[in-house]
Amino acid sequence: SQQGEEDPQALSIQEGENATMNCSYKTSINNLQWYRQNSGRGLVHLILIRSNEREKHSGRLRVTLDTSKKSSSLLITASRAADTASYFCATPPDSWGKLQFGAGTQVVVTP
Amino acid sequence: GAGVSQSPSNKVTEKGKDVELRCDPISGHTALYWYRQRLGQGLEFLIYFQGNSAPDKSGLPSDRFSAERTGESVSTLTIQRTQQEDSAVYLCASSPWTAGGVNEQFFGPGTRLTVL
Repeated sequence: SQQGEEDPQALSIQEGENATMNCSYKTSINNLQWYRQNSGRGLVHLILIRSNEREKHSGRLRVTLDTSKKSSSLLITASRAADTASYFCATPPDSWGKLQFGAGTQVVVTP
Repeated sequence: GAGVSQSPSNKVTEKGKDVELRCDPISGHTALYWYRQRLGQGLEFLIYFQGNSAPDKSGLPSDRFSAERTGESVSTLTIQRTQQEDSAVYLCASSPWTAGGVNEQFFGPGTRLTVL
């Protein structure tokens, strides 16, 4: 079963615009992570936000976490063609560290 | 090595054959995970290793799937009597284990398995 659900499923924007995607999850978590996947292969970790944090920044990325609503958002500012990828949120359902992933948001940035 | 490596990168096999997929994690990473990703979907957890032990095998879909890890390093995922529904990208990830599951995972490029 999927823990996280991303919204929207797909997003098409032009270079320079901002891209926002959301993630909802079902159970209590101690952290939430965002990953990027290019061309359906390996994933790259983008950012980890702990349950006691509300917002975190990394370069052009901004992640928010609202544990009361069980939701998170990822904002990519000033998007570039190289940001074209699928973006996944993931949460650990237990302390072992395995991750449960949503179905992802496919982002296309056109020049 | 510099990152997680997986081999082969692509595997085409006939239904009913056995396949072995290999993962070489980042040196020193005690935790190793296998995931499966069907086309257009998110990742499904298969199995987790801490060292050479597998405390969580809950994601293995059937007894045709097995995995082992040796030397706290390389891991192999074996699928016996492959079926067409096994077609997917199999991804391996490793991480330095931290308490409470707060850890970034480093992924390999995956093995694309196609069962004809």
